[in-house]
Amino acid sequence: DAGVIQSPRHEVTEMGQEVTLRCKPISGHDYLFWYRQTMMRGLELLIYFNNNVPIDDSGMPEDRFSAKMPNASFSTLKIQPSEPRDSAVYFCASSFFRDRVRSGELFFGEGSRLTVL
Amino acid sequence: AQKITQTQPGMFVQEKEAVTLDCTYDTSDPSYGLFWYKQPSSGEMIFLIYQGSYDQQNATEGRYSLNFQKARKSANLVISASQLGDSAMYFCAMRERTQGGSEKLVFGKGTKLTVNP
Repeated sequence: DAGVIQSPRHEVTEMGQEVTLRCKPISGHDYLFWYRQTMMRGLELLIYFNNNVPIDDSGMPEDRFSAKMPNASFSTLKIQPSEPRDSAVYFCASSFFRDRVRSGELFFGEGSRLTVL
Repeated sequence: AQKITQTQPGMFVQEKEAVTLDCTYDTSDPSYGLFWYKQPSSGEMIFLIYQGSYDQQNATEGRYSLNFQKARKSANLVISASQLGDSAMYFCAMRERTQGGSEKLVFGKGTKLTVNP
């Protein structure tokens, strides 16, 4: 089975431009997470979905950030307008937490490295 | 409040020796899970080991073992017989249930391990 697929792997854009990051979770997983990783802040949870419904977006930095999950196999994270401080690696991860006895580990995508000039 | 604390920003170990990476956590939920992930310089997140809060025995996976001390709320990772390829960032994470009943995974800041030849 294919893992979590993210695109693009690398994105360089100019301040003020719109950025859209995409994620395809592992089939059958019911949770999807978006994380941001920077040297200063480590891995921050931005938002997560359960069965395509956003559960907690308290980690989203500001209104410039939005995320959607229109169906079980696709999610987007959008930044509009982008700023240099948004430069980071954005990870998408999915999991299946239904059975709490099992590990319910997160499966990560390879990340999208965003550079905003 | 910090949920996962990793107090060692960096650790050094000699090849073939064992090393312990510290992790303490904070939760009031009696049912939770603890994870360790490895992130090599290439950037991908690799799942290493899992410990459930009700597990009686410490988890082990090959050269990795988790020293779980529930009363102290610590979940230290022990790597035995270190190899050069173990040089990486290591993240401790906790899966916990939110007030709304969903699950989420939060990460510590990480520890950078360097294995010296």
